[in-house]
Amino acid sequence: AAGVIQSPRHLIKEKRETATLKCYPIPRHDTVYWYQQGPGQDPQFLISFYEKMQSDKGSIPDRFSAQQFSDYHSELNMSSLELGDSALYFCASYRGGTPLADETQYFGPGTRLLVL
Amino acid sequence: DAKTTQPNSMESNEEEPVHLPCNHSTISGTDYIHWYRQLPSQGPEYVIHGLTSNVNNRMASLAIAEDRKSSTLILHRATLRDAAVYYCILKTSYDKVIFGPGTSLSVIP
Repeated sequence: AAGVIQSPRHLIKEKRETATLKCYPIPRHDTVYWYQQGPGQDPQFLISFYEKMQSDKGSIPDRFSAQQFSDYHSELNMSSLELGDSALYFCASYRGGTPLADETQYFGPGTRLLVL
Repeated sequence: DAKTTQPNSMESNEEEPVHLPCNHSTISGTDYIHWYRQLPSQGPEYVIHGLTSNVNNRMASLAIAEDRKSSTLILHRATLRDAAVYYCILKTSYDKVIFGPGTSLSVIP
């Protein structure tokens, strides 16, 4: 079965540079969630989109922005990168309108970002 | 957000059953109990979820207390590949996943 695709899988940037992470949800999934996982920490929710509209917002820095496109893929844009942004970034997808009994999120493999 | 409490860590011998407990005394009527796990350097992986009745799938079983204030994830035969952090999460519908500390499971050969 098709899974969530994230690209790139690894990314190295310098401080103050920008980065764009991409997430391609499972086909027919219309909801995307972004999570950040720092070293030794649990994943933390950043932001989510449903039908191309922002649906929820967590602890996402103002330097970060995201959007969901007409084909439901999503991009997380990160500017003025800081050393503390080094982390694993996961996206997860979900199919809106799924009966509650079947609802779950499926996570991608993540993008490992290293800021030097 | 409803909270869950899990042991920080557990150990199991390979090929033996593992019972991972989770307390969620403040669960609401609309909360589903979800379990995810995360293997080292991988994305979280859905394991199982349920509402009131016990659930079984190819990965595990979920036993839910009658009052829904606790649940237990059961791995019937632990393998080395089951070594991971297991998260017990309460959520409704399309809500985001809020990860707590989870239980780090070690499997001893």
